[in-house]
Amino acid sequence: AQSVAQPEDQVNVAEGNPLTVKCTYSVSGNPYLFWYVQYPNRGLQFLLKYITGDNLVKGSYGFEAEFNKSQTSFHLKKPSALVSDSALYFCAVRAPASGGSYIPTFGRGTSLIVHP
Amino acid sequence: DTAVSQTPKYLVTQMGNDKSIKCEQNLGHDTMYWYKQDSKKFLKIMFSYNNKELIINETVPNRFSPKSPDKAHLNLHINSLELGDSAVYFCASSQDGTAGYYGYTFGSGTRLTVV
Repeated sequence: AQSVAQPEDQVNVAEGNPLTVKCTYSVSGNPYLFWYVQYPNRGLQFLLKYITGDNLVKGSYGFEAEFNKSQTSFHLKKPSALVSDSALYFCAVRAPASGGSYIPTFGRGTSLIVHP
Repeated sequence: DTAVSQTPKYLVTQMGNDKSIKCEQNLGHDTMYWYKQDSKKFLKIMFSYNNKELIINETVPNRFSPKSPDKAHLNLHINSLELGDSAVYFCASSQDGTAGYYGYTFGSGTRLTVV
């Protein structure tokens, strides 16, 4: 079975500081990994994904994420946080095409609060 | 143009009623989904349709019935609504059949409140 954990319910960071939102996963085989962002009263928006290749992937709004196979992690990062980054962030994992569930499993979300 | 649109945005109804939520996507995607987000923001897949054919049906009460008249539409009908059905329901679509490579495009959600 595939699973994903976001160990922090909430992350607080000051504007201009770097931010990290943590995600660890469990899946058979090489994972497909995703980050989504949900602003209040909105649907989730795709931020970035890792399928294969360079472990550091860049996405929308200046976000990036680093795939670490040995630590089974896919942490979301941004060098300089903005107040407008405040939102709910979801990590998702899917098994590769060779097996497992084709439907991504979502984490429980991490609320990012950026203080002015 | 909204890529994935859901109506209504808010729905307040009494227990025992029957209601429908509509979803339309103009992205040309083959696969559409319904997700339920509970009060703790946990997202759970309910159904998935690929080109009008049901491919995923998770453990959902049979009071919930999806209908896909064509690949651009996936509606959700709920019979005999219960208090526990209160949640935000998200429609999503994906370019590939498994949302594995391209990810999802989500609608803005329907907040269902059963009183």
